[in-house]
Amino acid sequence: GQQVMQIPQYQHVQEGEDFTTYCNSSTTLSNIQWYKQRPGGHPVFLIQLVKSGEVKKQKRLTFQFGEAKKNSSLHITATQTTDVGTYFCAGNGGATNKLIFGTGTLLAVQP
Amino acid sequence: KAGVTQTPRYLIKTRGQQVTLSCSPISGHRSVSWYQQTPGQGLQFLFEYFSETQRNKGNFPGRFSGRQFSNSRSEMNVSTLELGDSALYLCASSLEGGAGGYTFGSGTRLTVV
Repeated sequence: GQQVMQIPQYQHVQEGEDFTTYCNSSTTLSNIQWYKQRPGGHPVFLIQLVKSGEVKKQKRLTFQFGEAKKNSSLHITATQTTDVGTYFCAGNGGATNKLIFGTGTLLAVQP
Repeated sequence: KAGVTQTPRYLIKTRGQQVTLSCSPISGHRSVSWYQQTPGQGLQFLFEYFSETQRNKGNFPGRFSGRQFSNSRSEMNVSTLELGDSALYLCASSLEGGAGGYTFGSGTRLTVV
């Protein structure tokens, strides 16, 4: 079945450093969504990308959707302690079009 | 507007028992999905309902079932609980097709002892 992998699993950065997480799907996706889950919390929707090659920005966050619509990335510029949490990508694709979540990247930011 | 409401927040059950979890979606959202979250397996898709019909199902045994009511509220049931069913169960609602993303509830933390 459809699988969505993310790397790295864990990243520890100093505050002010940049951070990138990569998402790869085994199947072509109709769209990709990104979520953030703070420790002890629930996933919160960040953004949705639909078009091949699409790039969207939200303040210090930059999201990209690959040309083949099978991969995506999230880049955070100059991390802050408020960026701590697990970042998940999630994709709709395959025959059933159900939303499958990636394995997640846990970001730790040291002040 | 009110968010996604899940009840109860915490639950402790014994092996072999059954449990029912409830989810009230955001008003106007007719799609409700359920996920199981564990440290080792991440977010695993259970099922999705739209207009009282199950549209998608994940790879879980038949002990896991769900339903959706005419007011879009949804319930999931787990019968014959096993220790491995201990997890955070998350419900998410959305507009049809997930447009605008999914809004998650705070989850139900189920512990099976």
